[in-house]
Amino acid sequence: AQRVTQPEKLLSVFKGAPVELKCNYSYSGSPELFWYVQYSRQRLQLLLRHISRESIKGFTADLNKGETSFHLKKPFAQEEDSAMYYCALLPSGHNDMRFGAGTRLTVKP
Amino acid sequence: GAGVSQSPRYKVAKRGQDVALRCDPISGHVSLFWYQQALGQGPEFLTYFQNEAQLDKSGLPSDRFFAERPEGSVSTLKIQRTQQEDSAVYLCASSLGGTSGFYNEQFFGPGTRLTVL
Repeated sequence: AQRVTQPEKLLSVFKGAPVELKCNYSYSGSPELFWYVQYSRQRLQLLLRHISRESIKGFTADLNKGETSFHLKKPFAQEEDSAMYYCALLPSGHNDMRFGAGTRLTVKP
Repeated sequence: GAGVSQSPRYKVAKRGQDVALRCDPISGHVSLFWYQQALGQGPEFLTYFQNEAQLDKSGLPSDRFFAERPEGSVSTLKIQRTQQEDSAVYLCASSLGGTSGFYNEQFFGPGTRLTVL
């Protein structure tokens, strides 16, 4: 079965420090992978997807098929990055996107 | 333009009552999704529509859950004989195209928080 695991429920870093939010998945095929973010009192929104290979708000994520991981990274965290982050997997040819349980990132001043 | 809207934003129901949750997707979006998000968890897929066709309802937890999108725009998620375990935030999302490809970005609504007493 397809599964997304975010091992850290809570992550706290100081402003300016590097941050890495971990995401591991289990899926035998070629999935599409996404990071969604939910800022306080806002709705869930797409941050980035692996097929775009883009950097959004300084965040990047590389798909590592060997390790089945899609970790989210930012070299210098900002206070406005504090939010809930969800990793999500869309199985190829399917409609049922699978979300991890989320990691709450707090960036301290 | 307006994003995805959902109503009501909050709903309290007594166990056994029926509830109906509404989703207004972004105009012109072909795909519509419903998710259930329990406290402390990520969203869990319930069902998917492409226009008015319900192509995937594999995530609906029981036959008490029913969804429709009769004209390919507004959708309603109905829960019959609500139980306490149905308490959750119900999220609706829409996307411009199908589920694969560049236009599959899902735009989420604010959710409806359902509390079953």
